[in-house]
Amino acid sequence: QKEVEQNSGPLSVPEGAIASLNCTYSDRGSQSFFWYRQYSGKSPELIMFIYSNGDKEDGRFTAQLNKASQYVSLLIRDSQPSDSATYLCAVYNFNKFYFGSGTKLNVKP
Amino acid sequence: KAGVTQTPRYLIKTRGQQVTLSCSPISGHRSVSWYQQTPGQGLQFLFEYFSETQRNKGNFPGRFSGRQFSNSRSEMNVSTLELGDSALYLCASSPDGQGNTEAFFGQGTRLTVV
Repeated sequence: QKEVEQNSGPLSVPEGAIASLNCTYSDRGSQSFFWYRQYSGKSPELIMFIYSNGDKEDGRFTAQLNKASQYVSLLIRDSQPSDSATYLCAVYNFNKFYFGSGTKLNVKP
Repeated sequence: KAGVTQTPRYLIKTRGQQVTLSCSPISGHRSVSWYQQTPGQGLQFLFEYFSETQRNKGNFPGRFSGRQFSNSRSEMNVSTLELGDSALYLCASSPDGQGNTEAFFGQGTRLTVV
């Protein structure tokens, strides 16, 4: 079992819609959770991180963490074509970052 | 503040050769982690260095090694290259490598083994 699982997609949403990206992790002791965005041919860039159960909002992005169910999600409101990228979920546990394989998001104009 | 710098950006090597990749972290960051990214496997953790010591290691063969210098710059070496080593190699720096702060990635070195 992989430490971090993501649906590879692609997830297609129309411009202006809400995109919902999900991630599950295997180790209940995981401490912190990160979402990275990676454009094709580029390196990952951090969108946001979350440590505590609940929601954390930053502009159009909301991260949601549910430790009991071991999942973390990212909501993108008012999706734009420029949001089209692969979104990587990362989990920090025991001094290591574990990455999911990413979900490809396509936002159609 | 300068970001994470990786050199070279692109490399082409032949099987059996060795290669050294370099990563200069953000000033003040002491932790450098290395990752291999391939289309099939995603981002896989190679190792992490902190204060010149390898603190964590992933599940890669001994052909993959690294080191960190006193100025926190890190190098990664791959010996006896195989075709399957073709990948994007990314390094990430963070202040202390703990999960309370984010890791910043360099632009990567794309290695092609022919």
